[in-house]
Amino acid sequence: NAGVMQNPRHLVRRRGQEARLRCSPMKGHSHVYWYRQLPEEGLKFMVYLQKENIIDESGMPKERFSAEFPKEGPSILRIQQVVRGDSAAYFCASSPPTDEQFFGPGTRLTVL
Amino acid sequence: GDSVTQMEGPVTLSEEAFLTINCTYTATGYPSLFWYVQYPGEGLQLLLKATKADDKGSNKGFEATYRKETTSFHLEKGSVQVSDSAVYFCALRKTGTASKLTFGTGTRLQVTL
Repeated sequence: NAGVMQNPRHLVRRRGQEARLRCSPMKGHSHVYWYRQLPEEGLKFMVYLQKENIIDESGMPKERFSAEFPKEGPSILRIQQVVRGDSAAYFCASSPPTDEQFFGPGTRLTVL
Repeated sequence: GDSVTQMEGPVTLSEEAFLTINCTYTATGYPSLFWYVQYPGEGLQLLLKATKADDKGSNKGFEATYRKETTSFHLEKGSVQVSDSAVYFCALRKTGTASKLTFGTGTRLQVTL
């Protein structure tokens, strides 16, 4: 059973471009979470999704950030018009209902 | 809101030394508690967990006991190895729900020969 997969592992964008981060949950997992880790800091929750539904987006910035988890395919975290402050590691985790979360290797976003 | 406080690092120890990393939490109700480990350039791996008061989680020689009276979940290991060098995160989650994890800021451990 493959683990949580994220791609790309590293992403470089210039200010004003769009960043798309993908997350494929473990087989059988219907819950996906996105977290952001700023340099030398802990992980901060961003959004929690189930298939075709956003359950909790209390950690998402109000502007430029969006997330989806379609019926088919990976979950996508989209950042529009990136700024230098968006540079961070973005981690996805997946779980079955009411169980522990398994983390992917992360996508390290660098904004030039 | 819920929060987790960890001792600040870095913690530098010699191999075979005893390790303690303190973690305290603030939460309503009875959360589940976790320790995650992050090796350089990698994602987080679950190290151990406890879901109710007085539970002891253990794995790979690491232990932590859920102390409700002191709202603590300190991580301990009797004899650390160089391969234990990593960043350790304490976290909590509301019990019985598939909800978000709330993390501490992490403690970097460096073990030297």
